[in-house]
Amino acid sequence: EVQLVESGGDLVQPGGSLRLSCAASGFNLRSYWMHWVRQVPGKGLEWVSRINVDGRSTGYAVSVKGRFTISRDNAKNTLYLQMNSLRVEDTAVYFCARAVPWSEGAFEMWGQGTMVPVSS
Amino acid sequence: DIQMTQSPSSLFASVGDRVTITCRASQSISSYLNWYQQKQGKAPKLLIYAASSLQSGVASRVSGSGSGTDFTLTISSLQPEDFATYYCQQSYSTPYSFGQGTKLEIK
Repeated sequence: EVQLVESGGDLVQPGGSLRLSCAASGFNLRSYWMHWVRQVPGKGLEWVSRINVDGRSTGYAVSVKGRFTISRDNAKNTLYLQMNSLRVEDTAVYFCARAVPWSEGAFEMWGQGTMVPVSS
Repeated sequence: DIQMTQSPSSLFASVGDRVTITCRASQSISSYLNWYQQKQGKAPKLLIYAASSLQSGVASRVSGSGSGTDFTLTISSLQPEDFATYYCQQSYSTPYSFGQGTKLEIK
C-alpha cells in the first residue's frame, strides 16, 4: 500500500527535544520533495518545513527556523523532523506530506499525523 | 511573507447547490495556488493544484480558477461528502502559507 506513516509524537516539556519520523511505503521516497505541515487541533494548517530530493536544500517557517531540522534517509525511505527548544506554541498535530512531482509546493499525499503536546 | 485570505469563513449550503470559495493573496503568486479539503480528524486531501489542475481521483464537479492574486474554488453540485473545511495554499515562495479555512456546512 502506498502510504506515509508518522511516528515519534509524545508529550514533551518546554525546552525539550523530539524527533519525528515519517516512513514511506509503496513508493520510492528519493523521487519526491517532502514537507512537514502542522495543525493545532481545531485550528488551521501551518507549513513547517520542506526538503528537496537529495536533502541538500531545505526551507523552514520563520516560527521554527533555527530550532527544527528536516532531513531524509532515502536508503531507509524515511523523512525526519528534529525539533529542539520546543515551546508550548509548537503543540500541534504534525503531518508529513509528499509533493506533486511537477509542483513541489503542492502536497498530494499526507500521513495520518502525529500529536506533539508541549507542556510542563 | 505572503498572506492568504479566504472568504467566507463559513458557508451553509444544500445538496445540489453550486458553491464558490474565494482566496486572495497579498501579492501576485501567478498560478501557484492549491486547494485542499479536510474532514474532521483526517489529513487534508489535495483537490486542485496550480490554480486549475484537478488532482487525480477528484470529482469533476470540483474546479479552480484564477491567477495573480484572486482565485476561486467551485463545486458545481454539492454532494453529501463535500461538507468539510477547505483551505487554499500558495506555493509561489517559502514560507508556504495557507488561508484560514472555509467550513462548508449543511443548511
